[in-house]
Amino acid sequence: DVKVTQSSRYLVKRTGEKVFLECVQDMDHENMFWYRQDPGLGLRLIYFSYDVKMKEKGDIPEGYSVSREKKERFSLILESASTNQTSMYLCASSTHGQGGEQYFGPGTRLTVT
Amino acid sequence: DQQVKQNSPSLSVQEGRISILNCDYTNSMFDYFLWYKKYPAEGPTFLISISSIKDKNEDGRFTVFLNKSAKHLSLHIVPSQPGDSAVYFCAASANHDMRFGAGTRLTVKP
Repeated sequence: DVKVTQSSRYLVKRTGEKVFLECVQDMDHENMFWYRQDPGLGLRLIYFSYDVKMKEKGDIPEGYSVSREKKERFSLILESASTNQTSMYLCASSTHGQGGEQYFGPGTRLTVT
Repeated sequence: DQQVKQNSPSLSVQEGRISILNCDYTNSMFDYFLWYKKYPAEGPTFLISISSIKDKNEDGRFTVFLNKSAKHLSLHIVPSQPGDSAVYFCAASANHDMRFGAGTRLTVKP
């Protein structure tokens, strides 16, 4: 059974803190993605990676960075958390190829106070 | 600029009837379209997809229709069941790029 896991389901951090969100997939997928989900806005792409050590900006990369040192792991970093980064964060992975159905993790609900 | 739009934030139908969820897109480069279903406190799960070379794809109770000239796709669920109650996201893909709509919350009443 395919699996994408995220390090935390719920996280509360203070403004200005550095925050690490970890994502691991066990499907040997090349592509990995980080989204945030906000009411009325759907899923917005923050960053994606199509290979180890490769990264591409999505629609809303400001305030975020990523790291992909191993194929199975993709980390999202909030350099200095702000209250407008309070959101649901979703990690996904997919194979190369047309369409590339994505498999999602359960999400991390981050609250920045 | 949202390239994929789901203009109905919510939809309520009676059990056994048909549910029709709609989605519009603006980018003609999209060549693959997907529907995802999301329950609370879970990540989205893939439901059904369609390639741009087709106009219909069916999987059990779920059928996706694509109208390329109108840049419109729809998901039909028939018959609808209470367990179908969830948020449905439409997505469109071109190479690595996948864009999602804002979602439609479907409620199926017993």
